[in-house]
Amino acid sequence: AQSVAQPEDQVNVAEGNPLTVKCTYSVSGNPYLFWYVQYPNRGLQFLLKYITGDNLVKGSYGFEAEFNKSQTSFHLKKPSALVSDSALYFCAVRDPHSNYQLIWGAGTKLIIKP
Amino acid sequence: EAQVTQNPRYLITVTGKKLTVTCSQNMNHEYMSWYRQDPGLGLRQIYYSMNVEVTDKGDVPEGYKVSRKEKRNFPLILESPSPNQTSLYFCASSPQTSTDTQYFGPGTRLTVL
Repeated sequence: AQSVAQPEDQVNVAEGNPLTVKCTYSVSGNPYLFWYVQYPNRGLQFLLKYITGDNLVKGSYGFEAEFNKSQTSFHLKKPSALVSDSALYFCAVRDPHSNYQLIWGAGTKLIIKP
Repeated sequence: EAQVTQNPRYLITVTGKKLTVTCSQNMNHEYMSWYRQDPGLGLRQIYYSMNVEVTDKGDVPEGYKVSRKEKRNFPLILESPSPNQTSLYFCASSPQTSTDTQYFGPGTRLTVL
C-alpha cells in the first residue's frame, strides 16, 4: 500500500542549530514528493517539491529537502533554525494508483527554542 | 489577491442539522479538494474535483456531499452532521492535478454537539 511516514511527532531544536524533519515513503513508480507547512491557525502553505532531476531541492524560507531513492526518504532540512520556523510540517507523496491524489503524512510539530 | 476562501471559519452546530461550508478560489484552478485534519491523523481527503461537474470520493467521503457547478466554487455539504465530523476542514485548489502545488484555504473549525 502507498504510504508516507513522519516518524517523529515533535522535533525540538535550539535557535541557530540545523534542523531535520524526517519523511519516508512507500509508493510504486516515480514519486512526486512535497513538503507543506502549517503555522498556527492558518492553512497549509507549500514549501517545496521533488518531481525529477537534482536530488537536492531548495524551497521557501531557506528550507531544502533531499530525495534519497535508495532509502525512500525525503527529509526536510534547514542549516540554521529560526524561532519563526516553529510550525507543523507535512510531507506528502503522489499516489499513482489513486488518480494521482496526494497521500499525507501525519505531520511533525517543529519547536524552535530561543 | 490570489486566494482560497472558506466560510464560515468557525461553526458550532447540533447533530442532524444540515450545513454547508463554502469554498471559493479566484485563480481559475481546475482542481479542488476538501480535507479534514484531525490530531495524529494528518490530512485526509474527503472529496476532490478535477473540473466542473467532475467529482470523486477521497479517503473519507461518508457523511459528506460536494458539488462543482462552477469552476470557482466547491461547497462541502453535511446533510446530517454527527459528532464524529467535528474536525478542522480545509479546502484546496491547484491548476490542474494534485501534483501541482496546492493552495489552501484558512480552514473551518466545525464542532458538532
